[in-house]
Amino acid sequence: GNSVTQMEGPVTLSEEAFLTINCTYTATGYPSLFWYVQYPGEGLQLLLKATKADDKGSNKGFEATYRKETTSFHLEKGSVQVSDSAVYFCALTQGGSEKLVFGKGTKLTVNP
Amino acid sequence: KAGVTQTPRYLIKTRGQQVTLSCSPISGHRSVSWYQQTPGQGLQFLFEYFSETQRNKGNFPGRFSGRQFSNSRSEMNVSTLELGDSALYLCASSLDTATDTQYFGPGTRLTVL
Repeated sequence: GNSVTQMEGPVTLSEEAFLTINCTYTATGYPSLFWYVQYPGEGLQLLLKATKADDKGSNKGFEATYRKETTSFHLEKGSVQVSDSAVYFCALTQGGSEKLVFGKGTKLTVNP
Repeated sequence: KAGVTQTPRYLIKTRGQQVTLSCSPISGHRSVSWYQQTPGQGLQFLFEYFSETQRNKGNFPGRFSGRQFSNSRSEMNVSTLELGDSALYLCASSLDTATDTQYFGPGTRLTVL
């Protein structure tokens, strides 16, 4: 079946450091790929998405590129802020289904 | 435009009881999905409703059920609660198709004692 694997962390960075959170997927065909973020005590917020190969999703300084050849959708940000501290989830949907399949999540802590 | 709302936000129940959680989707959204989030299992899909019909179901026992009303509001019910049902239950709504973005509510935190 479909699955998502992401680095589990936790990840601790200093402010203004470069961030990469790796995400790879297993799916047949062409899934849509997402990054969601969850701040403490809150639900999930969509951070960015890509629906076809080579698409780049971007939002709030975060970027991720849909790489079909490596089945990856790594999240990057050039300079993180303390306010970026949260849990980040990589996810996919496929095959006409609304069902989101999530990775385990990566907790990011950014220190001043 | 108002976001997805879920009520109640927090709930404490005892084993064997039943519980009903409510979700109001974003205005105009016709699809509602439910997810369970636990530290051990992460985020798992429960079910999805569209136009009052269950369109997709995850791998959960029959104690977990749901429904959707004509105004797209949805409820999920858990009967005969077990300790392991303690979780954050998240509802998400979207316009229609599988490629539409799902927008999540803040969740209902259920604690089973």
